[in-house]
Amino acid sequence: EPEVTQTPSHQVTQMGQEVILRCVPISNHLYFYWYRQILGQKVEFLVSFYNNEISEKSEIFDDQFSVERPDGSNFTLKIRSTKLEDSAMYFCASRWENTEAFFGQGTRLTVV
Amino acid sequence: SQKIEQNSEALNIQEGKTATLTCNYTNYSPAYLQWYRQDPGRGPVFLLLIRENEKEKRKERLKVTFDTTLKQSLFHITASQPADSATYLCAPTGGGNKLTFGTGTQLKVEL
Repeated sequence: EPEVTQTPSHQVTQMGQEVILRCVPISNHLYFYWYRQILGQKVEFLVSFYNNEISEKSEIFDDQFSVERPDGSNFTLKIRSTKLEDSAMYFCASRWENTEAFFGQGTRLTVV
Repeated sequence: SQKIEQNSEALNIQEGKTATLTCNYTNYSPAYLQWYRQDPGRGPVFLLLIRENEKEKRKERLKVTFDTTLKQSLFHITASQPADSATYLCAPTGGGNKLTFGTGTQLKVEL
């Protein structure tokens, strides 16, 4: 069964460092998403990506965040200069048109 | 602004009973509404999707209703089991490809 895969499963980084979280969405899907979930809190929408560009983003997705789909298969989230409050689980998701979303297992980011 | 409300208090029920979870939304005109399950430390998993022209949808022990006048969806799990214990998320969807979740309701099914 096709699945969304995310790497790494856990990343520890020092405050101020750049991190890149990687996702391989399901191959024929059209829409790609990143979400953040701080421990004990809700799943928060960050950004959606369609047709090789950002289609929607939340107020959380400020200039320190960027997304890319560099090679038609990978979908990455870059955080330029990490802060302690960026520590969270980050989920990638993908979907076809007007259907359910499939989520990866997440990357736990710890900023120290 | 758009708002999705789910009961933030945990719902504790006995095994075998029916669990009913509520999702209310404002400032949305969703073409459809989705329900997901999330286990601790895992990504959400899709359960059911109901379209605006459908009043009710069923899948095994799950039933979803969708009232676009009340702007509400109800999610029922019949004959609940301890394995149903999880957080359940709703997502009214439509008018673009943004997919936003409610806060989720934690369900605990006790023996």
